[in-house]
Amino acid sequence: NAGVTQTPKFRVLKTGQSMTLLCAQDMNHEYMYWYRQDPGMGLRLIHYSVGEGTTAKGEVPDGYNVSRLKKQNFLLGLESAAPSQTSVYFCASSYSLGLISSYEQYFGPGTRLTVT
Amino acid sequence: AQSVTQPDIHITVSEGASLELRCNYSYGATPYLFWYVQSPGQGLQLLLKYFSGDTLVQGIKGFEAEFKRSQSSFNLRKPSVHWSDAAEYFCAVGATDDKIIFGKGTRLHILP
Repeated sequence: NAGVTQTPKFRVLKTGQSMTLLCAQDMNHEYMYWYRQDPGMGLRLIHYSVGEGTTAKGEVPDGYNVSRLKKQNFLLGLESAAPSQTSVYFCASSYSLGLISSYEQYFGPGTRLTVT
Repeated sequence: AQSVTQPDIHITVSEGASLELRCNYSYGATPYLFWYVQSPGQGLQLLLKYFSGDTLVQGIKGFEAEFKRSQSSFNLRKPSVHWSDAAEYFCAVGATDDKIIFGKGTRLHILP
């Protein structure tokens, strides 16, 4: 049971390049989340998903897109990277309690992205 | 709107001393409350959670937290810290729309 995994662990992009971050979970969780973490800012929610085929915007969605084609995977895309997107990105998942989230989130190890 | 405040950005304690990290939340209904810990270069790990019932909750690594509705607080405590407890600690509250709101974190430093 690997829990939540993230690929890649590190990446350096040039401004304007695109990339996709992959998050995978093997716990059959309904809910998945993408956060970015910047010094002094805590964790800020980018996008999230309440189930396969669904996505929703979080606090800081601009410049990012997501897809949840399979229940176990949640992809975060940067179409045209900017230096302001330099950050550490965390994926998390949580299970449901009936029709609502448990809110108990399990985190991946993070992806450190640098945009030059 | 829901929010979480961790008033202390940094806290330094001596090894073996007791610890209390403060957390205040803003939420209209009975909140779901969490404490997470993040070691350097790692993801976040759940320390403990409060959903309902006993207001004193026990977590992993010897931590506990007490929910005080009258003070809108959920402070984290440990009676005797170890050098391995040096990390960043995040308080969080379950909000509407299946999201949780994190505080900005408190970094704990341990003096030998």
